[in-house]
Amino acid sequence: GAGVSQSPSNKVTEKGKDVELRCDPISGHTALYWYRQSLGQGLEFLIYFQGNSAPDKSGLPSDRFSAERTGGSVSTLTIQRTQQEDSAVYLCASMGFNTDTQYFGPGTRLTVL
Amino acid sequence: AQSVTQPDIHITVSEGASLELRCNYSYGATPYLFWYVQSPGQGLQLLLKYFSGDTLVQGIKGFEAEFKRSQSSFNLRKPSVHWSDAAEYFCAVGGNTGGFKTIFGAGTRLFVKA
Repeated sequence: GAGVSQSPSNKVTEKGKDVELRCDPISGHTALYWYRQSLGQGLEFLIYFQGNSAPDKSGLPSDRFSAERTGGSVSTLTIQRTQQEDSAVYLCASMGFNTDTQYFGPGTRLTVL
Repeated sequence: AQSVTQPDIHITVSEGASLELRCNYSYGATPYLFWYVQSPGQGLQLLLKYFSGDTLVQGIKGFEAEFKRSQSSFNLRKPSVHWSDAAEYFCAVGGNTGGFKTIFGAGTRLFVKA
């Protein structure tokens, strides 16, 4: 498959636990985005990676959130000490160099009990 | 500040009727504008985009949108709605300043009645 994939598709965790969400972008895409979609809300920008440049972390809601992108490909979004308000669908998107269209993955639905 | 406003949280139209979804944006530079659709349980799919040129753009599934700079609007239209169009629609604005960061609106949920 040539699309963006995300894992797991669903994650249920207990308050206070750490979680890791994975995104596999389309091969060769240089840009990678993370968004959060809370129930009934639009997409909230979290973080943006472009090639080897420093990521734009301006959307991360707190220092409990972090993300990394290894080898310019796979990305992991980590949420430490999860809170109930972190419950949402986390979407990843990738975009090719010098193009303008983001391709979205199916998302990871995170539920914090 | 960059922002996107979709004034209608939800809209209900009859099958076969015309549709217009509103989108207003605020952006300090030349905007790139997008409409995405999210069907239940599905990821986001790009319907259409505007960067420059003809202000009326055509997209997939029979959708079109018109960019009106004077009104800071990019409304989505379809002349005849099908039941399968029931979904959530997101307007977004982005650009090449400081990287290609995209701001999304809160979405409009479309209901189609028979």
